[in-house]
Amino acid sequence: AQSVAQPEDQVNVAEGNPLTVKCTYSVSGNPYLFWYVQYPNRGLQFLLKYITGDNLVKGSYGFEAEFNKSQTSFHLKKPSALVSDSALYFCAVRDRGNFNKFYFGSGTKLNVKP
Amino acid sequence: DGGITQSPKYLFRKEGQNVTLSCEQNLNHDAMYWYRQDPGQGLRLIYYSQIVNDFQKGDIAEGYSVSREKKESFPLTVTSAQKNPTAFYLCASSVTALDTYNSPLHFGNGTRLTVT
Repeated sequence: AQSVAQPEDQVNVAEGNPLTVKCTYSVSGNPYLFWYVQYPNRGLQFLLKYITGDNLVKGSYGFEAEFNKSQTSFHLKKPSALVSDSALYFCAVRDRGNFNKFYFGSGTKLNVKP
Repeated sequence: DGGITQSPKYLFRKEGQNVTLSCEQNLNHDAMYWYRQDPGQGLRLIYYSQIVNDFQKGDIAEGYSVSREKKESFPLTVTSAQKNPTAFYLCASSVTALDTYNSPLHFGNGTRLTVT
């Protein structure tokens, strides 16, 4: 079965500092991985994806993610956090057996303090 | 602009009543999905549809029903059989062609259902 795990319910970081939101995955074969962001009472917005190729993926709003096959991780990063980055972040994997299905992590709440 | 429209944004119902949540998309996507979001539990798949007049149960389909009579529309009915219906419901869509496996889900802004 395919799954993702987000080990931290909450991450706190000061504005201007780098941020990391962690995600680990469990899939058979090569994974199709995604990061989404959710603001209060809104739907999820796509940030970036890893399908194949470079291990460092760049996405929207200055976010990037590092794919590490040996550690089965896909951590979301940003060099300098903004207060407006405060939101709920979800990691997701697309099912290779039924590519119409996506599995989501439980979410990590990012708090960026001024 | 293309997107997914969910209505209403907030919905209040009495226990024992069925309620239907609307989802419309103009992205020309074949696949549509319904997810339920509860605090601390992430998103759980209720139903999905790959094509008109066809749909599949997700992980938590009990107490819910759907229809897919048009490509653009995928309404979700929360029936009185759903034991704990109060939640945030998200509709999404995606392309389904085999060469588009790198395509992400696109989401609506959700409907918050409260049943008392």
